[in-house]
Amino acid sequence: SQQGEEDPQALSIQEGENATMNCSYKTSINNLQWYRQNSGRGLVHLILIRSNEREKHSGRLRVTLDTSKKSSSLLITASRAADTASYFCATDASGGSYIPTFGRGTSLIVHP
Amino acid sequence: KAGVTQTPRYLIKTRGQQVTLSCSPISGHRSVSWYQQTPGQGLQFLFEYFSETQRNKGNFPGRFSGRQFSNSRSEMNVSTLELGDSALYLCASSIDRGATQFFGPGTRLTVL
Repeated sequence: SQQGEEDPQALSIQEGENATMNCSYKTSINNLQWYRQNSGRGLVHLILIRSNEREKHSGRLRVTLDTSKKSSSLLITASRAADTASYFCATDASGGSYIPTFGRGTSLIVHP
Repeated sequence: KAGVTQTPRYLIKTRGQQVTLSCSPISGHRSVSWYQQTPGQGLQFLFEYFSETQRNKGNFPGRFSGRQFSNSRSEMNVSTLELGDSALYLCASSIDRGATQFFGPGTRLTVL
């Protein structure tokens, strides 16, 4: 089973709106990373947040981490059509082998 | 810095054949990981190499193997191809475990 699970599976919004995606995981982690993947291509790293951090920002992206709830959220503000992609969270279990485990992703469509 | 490169980008093989995929990591990165991505199973970890040694291995049959050279370049090999091996194979490099992984564009393998 997947360590991380994104929610929702699909999200459709209009340009300019905010998009929020959530990730839940099962075991304690060292860090959590968010990636973007455009259709059938490689993954692009967005943000890494460590288990002792609660929030990080990068441009229009804001990531929060709640280790007590074993969940993270990715907020994209003022979305653009170019943000259309699949978004994945990846976690590596603490005390383990540091192998990132990916969820199945959220497919985001931003309509111009 | 040049990004992670993967060759070939597309490959068509028939059942029973074998295939070798190549990955050149970002300069200075010693960790190379391989992933298989399919619509049904999502992104699954294959193995990770560091300084020419396999450090971690995912839950894949022995038909999947890999190696890393002294210049950190890595290859993965799949023998006796099956239809279910059709997938996007992604390579990622990082400085070390737990650090941000940078992905290549992937090799799209189709097994007929």
